[in-house]
Amino acid sequence: DAKTTQPPSMDCAEGRAANLPCNHSTISGNEYVYWYRQIHSQGPQYIIHGLKNNETNEMASLIITEDRKSSTLILPHATLRDTAVYYCIVRRSNTGNQFYFGTGTSLTVIP
Amino acid sequence: GAVVSQHPSWVICKSGTSVKIECRSLDFQATTMFWYRQFPKQSLMLMATSNEGSKATYEQGVEKDKFLINHASLTLSTLTVTSAHPEDSSFYICSARAGTTSSDTQYFGPGTRLTVL
Repeated sequence: DAKTTQPPSMDCAEGRAANLPCNHSTISGNEYVYWYRQIHSQGPQYIIHGLKNNETNEMASLIITEDRKSSTLILPHATLRDTAVYYCIVRRSNTGNQFYFGTGTSLTVIP
Repeated sequence: GAVVSQHPSWVICKSGTSVKIECRSLDFQATTMFWYRQFPKQSLMLMATSNEGSKATYEQGVEKDKFLINHASLTLSTLTVTSAHPEDSSFYICSARAGTTSSDTQYFGPGTRLTVL
């Protein structure tokens, strides 16, 4: 019972920014938003996480709306190696901090 | 980032045999480890949560007598699939979490592909 909604697939031109949206309208005040990606037949790779402020690291930026009901993961300059399934996860902070994965967004970076 | 390993990366076994999969946190101590299963073209499904030194907590619908989890140390958790059958064929992935706060990150292993003949 994932608490997030993501578009099933997206395309992005190589070199352009990829903007991946996520809806988490039932998020609670102390729940973090995490983003992972999974390349075929590999374990998920951590990208970034945040609570309410925008975050940036060497891989991506995370923009969280003021009401925290949605967020956007931004890959600033997509490469072919960024082709993967991207998962937005809201961590449950009151039941052991498990991750429940939704269906994610399959991002294809096009040459 | 933190590194989590799994062994073996793939295994083929006969129906009725048991298979053990190891999950290790290589450069940090994991207070909690998680086991997931992923069928082709599907998302990851959480199977169980294990804390070092205590019994694992299984998700609804996961048979605890079939999927035995042992978390004997802060760097090692094992998943044993007992009396495996073809329907247990799947991609098994573990993850490990270093801290205990709600902002602590989970790091995932590379996965183990199990094929039961």
